[in-house]
Amino acid sequence: DTEVTQTPKHLVMGMTNKKSLKCEQHMGHRAMYWYKQKAKKPPELMFVYSYEKLSINESVPSRFSPECPNSSLLNLHLHALQPEDSALYLCASSQTALKMNTEAFFGQGTRLTVV
Amino acid sequence: EDKVVQSPLYLVVHEGDTVTLNCSYEVTNFRSLLWYKQEKKAPTFLFMLTSSGIEKKSGRLSSILDKKELFSILNITATQTGDSAVYLCAVVGNRDDKIIFGKGTRLHILP
Repeated sequence: DTEVTQTPKHLVMGMTNKKSLKCEQHMGHRAMYWYKQKAKKPPELMFVYSYEKLSINESVPSRFSPECPNSSLLNLHLHALQPEDSALYLCASSQTALKMNTEAFFGQGTRLTVV
Repeated sequence: EDKVVQSPLYLVVHEGDTVTLNCSYEVTNFRSLLWYKQEKKAPTFLFMLTSSGIEKKSGRLSSILDKKELFSILNITATQTGDSAVYLCAVVGNRDDKIIFGKGTRLHILP
């Protein structure tokens, strides 16, 4: 099983809403990632969790709040977003730097539209 | 600062042609280089390269890494219209778990 599952696939939310994106993997990977991707641009790293601890925050605004409840799950809580936050949000997982090299696998993404 | 530079950014060829996509990088304590293909949604994993000079091959796709000159190439032979996609190169350092992407090469195969 090399699957990373993201829900929902599509999300439309208003600027005052609170919503959450979810990501799940069962490959035993201990590094999990959130990326944001705008049209015709490469994925931009937002957060990295290593062994359920936040290891990298790429200066992401606080209206994005990540959470890693356990080694298989990664959430991204959204609150008071702006229209420019509309993008494809990708979750990925891999083994951590402490383990053997392995591929990083991506979920299918959540296409978020902020209205 | 870690960075990945891909070239060309855009490439249009006819079906049946062979293409070579380039990726050069600078990263602290290099760990691995990854190639992905992205069509409409998630990047799909193609290759992971960790050692110089060892070619990885999958069907018509192949890739090789040169750790001395800090670059990798992705070759696609006998291209088909289904190869049209953005090809992303990414590097991973040993210092942390960051995966840094290049801007990608947008490949379009004409029938």
